[in-house]
Amino acid sequence: NAGVMQNPRHLVRRRGQEARLRCSPMKGHSHVYWYRQLPEEGLKFMVYLQKENIIDESGMPKERFSAEFPKEGPSILRIQQVVRGDSAAYFCASSSSGEGNYGYTFGSGTRLTVV
Amino acid sequence: RKEVEQDPGPFNVPEGATVAFNCTYSNSASQSFFWYRQDCRKEPKLLMSVYSSGNEDGRFTAQLNRASQYISLLIRDSKLSDSATYLCVVNPRGSARQLTFGSGTQLTVLP
Repeated sequence: NAGVMQNPRHLVRRRGQEARLRCSPMKGHSHVYWYRQLPEEGLKFMVYLQKENIIDESGMPKERFSAEFPKEGPSILRIQQVVRGDSAAYFCASSSSGEGNYGYTFGSGTRLTVV
Repeated sequence: RKEVEQDPGPFNVPEGATVAFNCTYSNSASQSFFWYRQDCRKEPKLLMSVYSSGNEDGRFTAQLNRASQYISLLIRDSKLSDSATYLCVVNPRGSARQLTFGSGTQLTVLP
Protein backbone atom coordinates (compact mmCIF):
# COMPACT_ATOMS: atom_id res chain seq x y z
CA ASN A 1 0.00 0.00 0.00
CA ALA A 2 1.89 3.01 -1.28
CA GLY A 3 1.99 6.09 0.89
CA VAL A 4 1.42 9.65 -0.22
CA MET A 5 3.28 10.12 -3.49
CA GLN A 6 4.60 13.47 -4.60
CA ASN A 7 6.37 14.38 -7.79
CA PRO A 8 8.66 15.70 -8.89
CA ARG A 9 11.03 15.42 -5.90
CA HIS A 10 13.03 18.39 -7.15
CA LEU A 11 11.91 21.13 -9.49
CA VAL A 12 13.95 24.02 -10.81
CA ARG A 13 12.20 26.94 -12.47
CA ARG A 14 13.36 30.29 -13.75
CA ARG A 15 11.65 33.40 -12.49
CA GLY A 16 8.39 33.93 -14.33
CA GLN A 17 7.81 30.29 -15.24
CA GLU A 18 5.04 28.08 -13.92
CA ALA A 19 5.51 25.28 -11.39
CA ARG A 20 3.16 22.30 -11.11
CA LEU A 21 3.44 20.05 -8.10
CA ARG A 22 1.54 16.76 -7.95
CA CYS A 23 0.29 14.75 -5.02
CA SER A 24 -1.35 11.33 -5.11
CA PRO A 25 -3.01 10.53 -1.78
CA MET A 26 -2.89 7.18 -0.07
CA LYS A 27 -5.33 4.66 -1.45
CA GLY A 28 -8.81 5.30 -0.14
CA HIS A 29 -8.02 8.82 1.06
CA SER A 30 -10.15 11.64 -0.26
CA HIS A 31 -8.76 14.53 1.81
CA VAL A 32 -5.55 16.27 0.76
CA TYR A 33 -3.55 18.99 2.54
CA TRP A 34 -0.71 21.11 1.19
CA TYR A 35 1.95 22.68 3.42
CA ARG A 36 4.95 24.83 2.60
CA GLN A 37 8.25 24.91 4.46
CA LEU A 38 10.50 27.87 3.79
CA PRO A 39 14.21 27.47 4.56
CA GLU A 40 14.87 27.41 8.32
CA GLU A 41 11.15 27.69 9.13
CA GLY A 42 8.32 25.43 10.24
CA LEU A 43 5.61 24.04 8.01
CA LYS A 44 2.77 26.41 7.15
CA PHE A 45 -0.69 25.26 6.10
CA MET A 46 -1.69 26.29 2.59
CA VAL A 47 -4.86 24.52 1.47
CA TYR A 48 -7.20 21.63 2.27
CA LEU A 49 -9.09 19.88 -0.51
CA GLN A 50 -11.52 17.06 -0.96
CA LYS A 51 -12.31 15.54 -4.33
CA GLU A 52 -13.40 18.39 -6.64
CA ASN A 53 -13.73 20.85 -3.75
CA ILE A 54 -11.52 23.37 -2.01
CA ILE A 55 -12.50 23.27 1.65
CA ASP A 56 -10.05 25.71 3.19
CA GLU A 57 -7.57 27.87 1.29
CA SER A 58 -6.89 30.34 4.07
CA GLY A 59 -3.13 29.68 3.89
CA MET A 60 -2.76 30.25 0.17
CA PRO A 61 -1.14 33.46 -1.08
CA LYS A 62 -3.77 35.61 -2.74
CA GLU A 63 -2.10 35.68 -6.13
CA ARG A 64 -0.31 33.21 -8.41
CA PHE A 65 -1.14 30.12 -6.33
CA SER A 66 -3.96 27.70 -7.02
CA ALA A 67 -4.82 24.12 -6.13
CA GLU A 68 -7.16 21.47 -7.40
CA PHE A 69 -8.08 17.88 -6.63
CA PRO A 70 -10.03 16.51 -9.58
CA LYS A 71 -12.32 13.53 -9.52
CA GLU A 72 -9.66 11.50 -11.29
CA GLY A 73 -5.93 11.93 -10.87
CA PRO A 74 -3.64 13.61 -8.39
CA SER A 75 -4.02 16.89 -6.57
CA ILE A 76 -2.12 19.71 -8.28
CA LEU A 77 -0.58 22.77 -6.65
CA ARG A 78 0.11 25.35 -9.32
CA ILE A 79 2.34 28.39 -8.94
CA GLN A 80 2.30 30.88 -11.77
CA GLN A 81 5.07 33.37 -12.53
CA VAL A 82 7.34 32.00 -9.82
CA VAL A 83 9.63 34.32 -7.86
CA ARG A 84 12.70 33.52 -5.77
CA GLY A 85 10.65 33.72 -2.59
CA ASP A 86 8.64 30.69 -3.74
CA SER A 87 11.72 28.49 -3.28
CA ALA A 88 10.71 26.06 -0.57
CA ALA A 89 9.76 22.48 0.20
CA TYR A 90 6.12 21.74 -0.51
CA PHE A 91 4.61 18.81 1.38
CA CYS A 92 1.33 17.07 0.81
CA ALA A 93 -0.58 14.87 3.26
CA SER A 94 -3.78 12.89 2.99
CA SER A 95 -6.40 11.41 5.27
CA SER A 96 -9.54 9.34 4.98
CA SER A 97 -11.60 11.91 6.88
CA GLY A 98 -11.38 15.49 8.06
CA GLU A 99 -10.72 14.43 11.65
CA GLY A 100 -7.34 15.54 12.89
CA ASN A 101 -7.05 13.64 16.10
CA TYR A 102 -4.49 11.20 14.77
CA GLY A 103 -2.12 13.42 12.84
CA TYR A 104 -1.47 12.47 9.25
CA THR A 105 1.24 11.15 6.93
CA PHE A 106 3.20 13.38 4.61
CA GLY A 107 4.63 12.63 1.21
CA SER A 108 8.34 13.09 0.57
CA GLY A 109 7.81 16.61 -0.69
CA THR A 110 8.76 18.63 -3.74
CA ARG A 111 11.71 20.96 -3.38
CA LEU A 112 11.19 23.94 -5.62
CA THR A 113 14.15 26.11 -6.50
CA VAL A 114 13.57 29.32 -8.42
CA VAL A 115 16.65 30.67 -10.18
CA ARG B 1 3.12 35.77 19.72
CA LYS B 2 3.55 32.62 17.64
CA GLU B 3 0.80 30.02 17.89
CA VAL B 4 3.34 27.32 18.74
CA GLU B 5 6.72 28.20 20.22
CA GLN B 6 9.73 25.97 20.65
CA ASP B 7 13.31 26.51 21.72
CA PRO B 8 15.17 26.13 18.41
CA GLY B 9 18.28 24.70 20.06
CA PRO B 10 20.52 23.24 18.88
CA PHE B 11 20.78 20.65 21.61
CA ASN B 12 24.04 18.68 21.44
CA VAL B 13 24.06 15.74 23.82
CA PRO B 14 26.22 12.62 24.25
CA GLU B 15 24.87 9.16 23.53
CA GLY B 16 22.93 7.80 26.47
CA ALA B 17 21.91 11.22 27.78
CA THR B 18 18.38 12.24 28.65
CA VAL B 19 17.09 15.32 26.85
CA ALA B 20 13.84 17.25 27.18
CA PHE B 21 12.13 19.59 24.73
CA ASN B 22 9.44 22.08 25.62
CA CYS B 23 6.72 23.73 23.63
CA THR B 24 4.01 26.28 24.41
CA TYR B 25 0.87 27.01 22.43
CA SER B 26 -1.34 30.08 22.46
CA ASN B 27 -4.81 28.74 21.59
CA SER B 28 -6.42 27.43 24.77
CA ALA B 29 -9.13 25.70 22.70
CA SER B 30 -6.61 23.42 20.99
CA GLN B 31 -7.72 19.83 21.01
CA SER B 32 -4.98 17.57 19.70
CA PHE B 33 -1.25 17.59 20.14
CA PHE B 34 1.60 15.75 18.48
CA TRP B 35 5.35 15.47 18.23
CA TYR B 36 6.78 14.99 14.75
CA ARG B 37 10.34 14.26 13.80
CA GLN B 38 12.00 15.68 10.69
CA ASP B 39 15.33 14.50 9.35
CA CYS B 40 17.38 16.83 7.22
CA ARG B 41 15.64 17.56 3.91
CA LYS B 42 12.99 14.91 4.48
CA GLU B 43 9.30 14.96 5.28
CA PRO B 44 8.04 15.25 8.88
CA LYS B 45 7.06 11.93 10.41
CA LEU B 46 4.62 11.45 13.26
CA LEU B 47 6.53 10.44 16.39
CA MET B 48 3.69 10.32 18.87
CA SER B 49 0.43 11.88 19.92
CA VAL B 50 0.30 13.67 23.25
CA TYR B 51 -2.48 12.90 25.72
CA SER B 52 -3.57 14.76 28.84
CA SER B 53 -2.60 11.86 31.06
CA GLY B 54 0.89 11.72 29.55
CA ASN B 55 2.04 8.85 27.41
CA GLU B 56 5.15 6.83 26.80
CA ASP B 57 6.48 4.98 23.77
CA GLY B 58 9.71 3.17 24.55
CA ARG B 59 12.36 5.78 25.32
CA PHE B 60 10.01 8.67 24.51
CA THR B 61 7.64 10.29 26.98
CA ALA B 62 5.22 13.09 26.13
CA GLN B 63 3.41 15.30 28.62
CA LEU B 64 0.63 17.86 28.21
CA ASN B 65 -0.31 20.57 30.67
CA ARG B 66 -3.49 22.20 29.43
CA ALA B 67 -3.61 24.76 32.23
CA SER B 68 -0.17 26.08 31.30
CA GLN B 69 -0.60 25.35 27.57
CA TYR B 70 2.65 23.49 27.63
CA ILE B 71 3.83 20.28 25.95
CA SER B 72 7.03 18.38 26.55
CA LEU B 73 8.97 15.50 25.03
CA LEU B 74 11.53 13.52 27.00
CA ILE B 75 14.02 11.23 25.28
CA ARG B 76 15.90 8.80 27.50
CA ASP B 77 19.08 6.92 26.61
CA SER B 78 19.67 8.98 23.46
CA LYS B 79 20.87 7.18 20.33
CA LEU B 80 22.81 8.59 17.41
CA SER B 81 19.74 7.89 15.29
CA ASP B 82 17.68 10.28 17.41
CA SER B 83 19.52 13.20 15.77
CA ALA B 84 16.82 15.18 13.97
CA THR B 85 14.58 18.21 14.34
CA TYR B 86 11.60 17.69 16.64
CA LEU B 87 8.43 19.54 15.74
CA CYS B 88 5.70 20.38 18.22
CA VAL B 89 2.32 20.29 16.48
CA VAL B 90 -1.05 21.51 17.67
CA ASN B 91 -4.47 20.95 16.17
CA PRO B 92 -6.44 24.03 17.18
CA ARG B 93 -9.84 22.96 15.97
CA GLY B 94 -9.96 19.20 16.11
CA SER B 95 -10.11 18.96 12.36
CA ALA B 96 -7.31 17.84 10.13
CA ARG B 97 -7.34 20.94 8.02
CA GLN B 98 -4.86 23.06 9.89
CA LEU B 99 -2.22 21.46 11.98
CA THR B 100 -0.04 24.25 13.37
CA PHE B 101 3.65 23.44 13.46
CA GLY B 102 6.35 24.89 15.66
CA SER B 103 9.62 25.79 14.01
CA GLY B 104 11.32 22.79 15.57
CA THR B 105 14.08 21.98 18.01
CA GLN B 106 17.28 20.58 16.55
CA LEU B 107 18.90 17.66 18.36
CA THR B 108 22.33 16.21 17.67
CA VAL B 109 23.40 13.13 19.60
CA LEU B 110 27.17 12.86 19.71
CA PRO B 111 29.19 9.62 19.89
